[in-house]
Amino acid sequence: EIVLTQSPATLSLSPGERATLSCRASQSVSSYLVWYQQKPGQAPRLLIYDASNRATGIPARFSGSGSGTDFTLTISSLEPEDFAVYYCQQRSNWPFVYTFGQGTKLEIK
Amino acid sequence: QVQLVESGGGLVRPGGSLRLSCAASGFPFPDFYMSWIRQAPGRGLEWVSYISSTSYVDYADSVKGRFTISRDNARNSLYLQMNSLRVEDTAVYYCARVGAAYALDVWGQGTMVTVSS
Repeated sequence: EIVLTQSPATLSLSPGERATLSCRASQSVSSYLVWYQQKPGQAPRLLIYDASNRATGIPARFSGSGSGTDFTLTISSLEPEDFAVYYCQQRSNWPFVYTFGQGTKLEIK
Repeated sequence: QVQLVESGGGLVRPGGSLRLSCAASGFPFPDFYMSWIRQAPGRGLEWVSYISSTSYVDYADSVKGRFTISRDNARNSLYLQMNSLRVEDTAVYYCARVGAAYALDVWGQGTMVTVSS
């Protein structure tokens, strides 16, 4: 089973700064990597799919990159509403399973 | 407006059963795969189960043999029958639509399941 490891666990930054979040897979997942954002008391929201494709309505300041085992979510200039928990996720075909990383909490410094 | 609304959560004793429902609207429900994901209090996301548009199903090992996912395309509804519930099944349960590249692109607001004596 593929394990996703996110780093750092917590990232403290100020509005306007650039955020770089990492997700590492225990074996190659090609480009099948997804990023979600979750705010307290809310359901997760899809941000990025296939490693680098922004979902509908997601601002351009969010970008994803990587392939194989190393992936990055970048927020170019943090807005106050971006402080949240971010999860990466991959899907295996056989057995079929979705795996999530443990999350990175992006907090206001 | 694309929407998913879960219901059926509550307090149940260990060993008990509960059936969750998810009502879909605003999109052609029969055409989409659907999934259940849960989140224990203060914890991360855990995939539970998925069902294809043709009702092929699969489950996480942690719930296999205890949970059953199903769908009623005529009612635009998704279900999760949960039997032999354990304390560790306590979580918010979300239903989600499987979209492009198998990403979970629409989520419900979640329903809380508490398993406690």
